Amino acid sequence: AQSVTQPDIHITVSEGASLELRCNYSYGATPYLFWYVQSPGQGLQLLLKYFSGDTLVQGIKGFEAEFKRSQSSFNLRKPSVHWSDAAEYFCAVGATGGSYIPTFGRGTSLIVHP
Amino acid sequence: DTAVSQTPKYLVTQMGNDKSIKCEQNLGHDTMYWYKQDSKKFLKIMFSYNNKELIINETVPNRFSPKSPDKAHLNLHINSLELGDSAVYFCASSLGAGGTEAFFGQGTRLTVV
Repeated sequence: AQSVTQPDIHITVSEGASLELRCNYSYGATPYLFWYVQSPGQGLQLLLKYFSGDTLVQGIKGFEAEFKRSQSSFNLRKPSVHWSDAAEYFCAVGATGGSYIPTFGRGTSLIVHP
Repeated sequence: DTAVSQTPKYLVTQMGNDKSIKCEQNLGHDTMYWYKQDSKKFLKIMFSYNNKELIINETVPNRFSPKSPDKAHLNLHINSLELGDSAVYFCASSLGAGGTEAFFGQGTRLTVV
């Protein structure tokens, strides 16, 4: 079965600083990978996804993520964080075979200081 | 609006009661899910339906029973509510299986007192 690890529970950055949120997955084949954002009191919104092809994926709100097969990682990055980016970020893996449910990491809470 | 909508958004109820949460999607998706988000924000899959058929039923107490009258609806009924059932419940849908992104509802915050 697939699994996702987000090693950082909280990340604190200053507004304008760069950001990298880590995600590692476990799956026997090439996974489908997603990053979602959850603002307080809201549902989850898709930021970006990787299915195949170019390993650097661009998403909404200026986010990007890079799929690295050798490291089983799919880290999320943003060059300059805005205060409105403060939210919970979830990495997820969707299997291409077997169980088809999207499986989520525990989430990383992003705190942005002015 | 095209979306996944859940009702109610908030639900406060006493232990032992029975309650239902409704979910509807008008995105034309054929797969729907229920997730439970605990106080630590961890999202755990509960059920998954594809074309009204149950395909995933994780380790969830029998008190939880999903019902899918058609592809656009997946309701969650909970019997004999317990304090530990307090959480945010999210409905989601996708086109096909886990290879496509899931679209989420706004969540239902259930508080059992």
